[in-house]
Amino acid sequence: AQSVTQLDSHVSVSEGTPVLLRCNYSSSYSPSLFWYVQHPNKGLQLLLKYTSAATLVKGINGFEAEFKKSETSFHLTKPSAHMSDAAEYFCVVSDRGGDDKIIFGKGTRLHILP
Amino acid sequence: DADVTQTPRNRITKTGKRIMLECSQTKGHDRMYWYRQDPGLGLRLIYYSFDVKDINKGEISDGYSVSRQAQAKFSLSLESAIPNQTALYFCATSAMGTVYNEQFFGPGTRLTVL
Repeated sequence: AQSVTQLDSHVSVSEGTPVLLRCNYSSSYSPSLFWYVQHPNKGLQLLLKYTSAATLVKGINGFEAEFKKSETSFHLTKPSAHMSDAAEYFCVVSDRGGDDKIIFGKGTRLHILP
Repeated sequence: DADVTQTPRNRITKTGKRIMLECSQTKGHDRMYWYRQDPGLGLRLIYYSFDVKDINKGEISDGYSVSRQAQAKFSLSLESAIPNQTALYFCATSAMGTVYNEQFFGPGTRLTVL
């Protein structure tokens, strides 16, 4: 069975500084991993997804994430935060070869300080 | 653009009332899902359907029922609404047979049960 843990419920960074949102997962099979973003009063938008071809995944709006199997982590990063990045971010795991169920983390709310 | 739509977008109802939330998609996807989102809990799966004749319970199906009227339509019903069903509800779709099981979300329905 798979699970996902987002290690911080809230993260605050200053505009222009790096962003790190942490995610750890467990999976019995080869996982698919995703990061979704939800802006206030909006639906969920896919930021990026992990493919087995590359451990460093680039997404939209300058975000990227690195799949580290040895650490069972898939942390989301961005070199320089922008005010428009203020949102809630969800890490998601799905077992490929398993039952295809999708498990969401509880979310990390990112605050950007001016 | 191929899309996922939800109606209504907002609904206020009273305890004991029956209510139906509807989801339609023009993506041609076989798989459809209903989630609820509560603050601090992320998204939790209520029901999912892999095709018109397939309905499966998710993590929190008690108090809910669904109907898959066609490939493009998936409705969620609350037979007798209660206040702790107040939440944001999302419909999502995904394409069968894809490796990554990426989901596409509707804009959400905000339900308040008084």
